[in-house]
Amino acid sequence: NAGVTQTPKFRILKIGQSMTLQCAQDMNHNYMYWYRQDPGMGLKLIYYSVGAGITDKGEVPNGYNVSRSTTEDFPLRLELAAPSQTSVYFCASSLDSSTDTQYFGPGTRLTVL
Amino acid sequence: GQNIDQPTEMTATEGAIVQINCTYQTSGFNGLFWYQQHAGEAPTFLSYNVLDGLEEKGRFSSFLSRSKGYSYLLLKELQMKDSASYLCAVRPHNAGNMLTFGGGTRLMVKP
Repeated sequence: NAGVTQTPKFRILKIGQSMTLQCAQDMNHNYMYWYRQDPGMGLKLIYYSVGAGITDKGEVPNGYNVSRSTTEDFPLRLELAAPSQTSVYFCASSLDSSTDTQYFGPGTRLTVL
Repeated sequence: GQNIDQPTEMTATEGAIVQINCTYQTSGFNGLFWYQQHAGEAPTFLSYNVLDGLEEKGRFSSFLSRSKGYSYLLLKELQMKDSASYLCAVRPHNAGNMLTFGGGTRLMVKP
């Protein structure tokens, strides 16, 4: 199993540009999550999904959108990039048990100039 | 709201023992996790506590007191490779599998 994979690893955007961060998992996990981590800070939940076709907002959803058309994929869309969105983005997944741990992807480092 | 506090930085010596504390105030409680994160890498799972008491796993142990809203991670026989950030995360009750993370404690192990 590859686990949780994310692309790209690094990206530089100009203000106002848009992009999609890709996330895929091959563990047949129902739950998937997107977090952002600012330098020296903890993780903040952007969006999450409990299964294909179902998504919901986390703590900091503004400026982002998600979709979950399949169990495996959970892309994160930035429509109008802003400098405040400069961060490291982590995707994670878990089984639907309430006691299950989350498995994280390697992260995407995004800079908006 | 949710509030999770842990020290920003700690320094310890190779071979020693270090305790990283975490206090939380959440709207509910359905488990507490500790994750390790090396610089530039993804967090990886270390431990999970849902009942009061100590969970031991090799050199790492985690303790929970639900009445005090308190947990600690104990690292024994410190090694240089233990230099990393340690993230405390709480799953509030009825929040599905969502986690609320603290800011992390950056541990530096010196020779």
